[in-house]
Amino acid sequence: IAGITQAPTSQILAAGRRMTLRCTQDMRHNAMYWYRQDLGLGLRLIHYSNTAGTTGKGEVPDGYSVSRANTDDFPLTLASAVPSQTSVYFCASSDSSLAGADTQYFGPGTRLTVL
Amino acid sequence: GQNIDQPTEMTATEGAIVQINCTYQTSGFNGLFWYQQHAGEAPTFLSYNVLDGLEEKGRFSSFLSRSKGYSYLLLKELQMKDSASYLCASMDSNYQLIWGAGTKLIIKP
Repeated sequence: IAGITQAPTSQILAAGRRMTLRCTQDMRHNAMYWYRQDLGLGLRLIHYSNTAGTTGKGEVPDGYSVSRANTDDFPLTLASAVPSQTSVYFCASSDSSLAGADTQYFGPGTRLTVL
Repeated sequence: GQNIDQPTEMTATEGAIVQINCTYQTSGFNGLFWYQQHAGEAPTFLSYNVLDGLEEKGRFSSFLSRSKGYSYLLLKELQMKDSASYLCASMDSNYQLIWGAGTKLIIKP
């Protein structure tokens, strides 16, 4: 089934630990995104990638890093987790190569708790 | 600055009509998106408007006025399954989505 998968579904992490959230899409979309969603706030962009081999910073990039070695995978790494990174993390993708086809499709999310 | 405003919560009755408003202010504009998000799930795409006017898609319609920085989502013949949060997002000049906090819609029998 075409779509976006994320792993893990949920995770409890001790502060200071390193963590990588995985995201894989099989729609051959050029662009991929990482968002965090916190209660009472809109989705906030952490990092994005317009195409394999390139990445960019979003609104809230501090404490996070990404890589885009190929079209399908876009992992998000927290180098040293802090409690303020407790959130739900969504990965999304879009086929930005087509005019007007900028709709973003979302993965199921990862619920991360940092203690 | 960039800003998206939408009501925090709305309540409506099953079978009725509800309109969820959204005002936006972004650096540049490349379209207005509406997404639906059920509790504990991912956002799913509902509609996209880039030209002024009404776009109808079954029970859901979306309206855009670019001159007023205003959009609304209209849901007709409400069903219990429509209970969800509705997210408004404006695409800015860099083709990044700026998101509102979402409107939680509660449907009562």
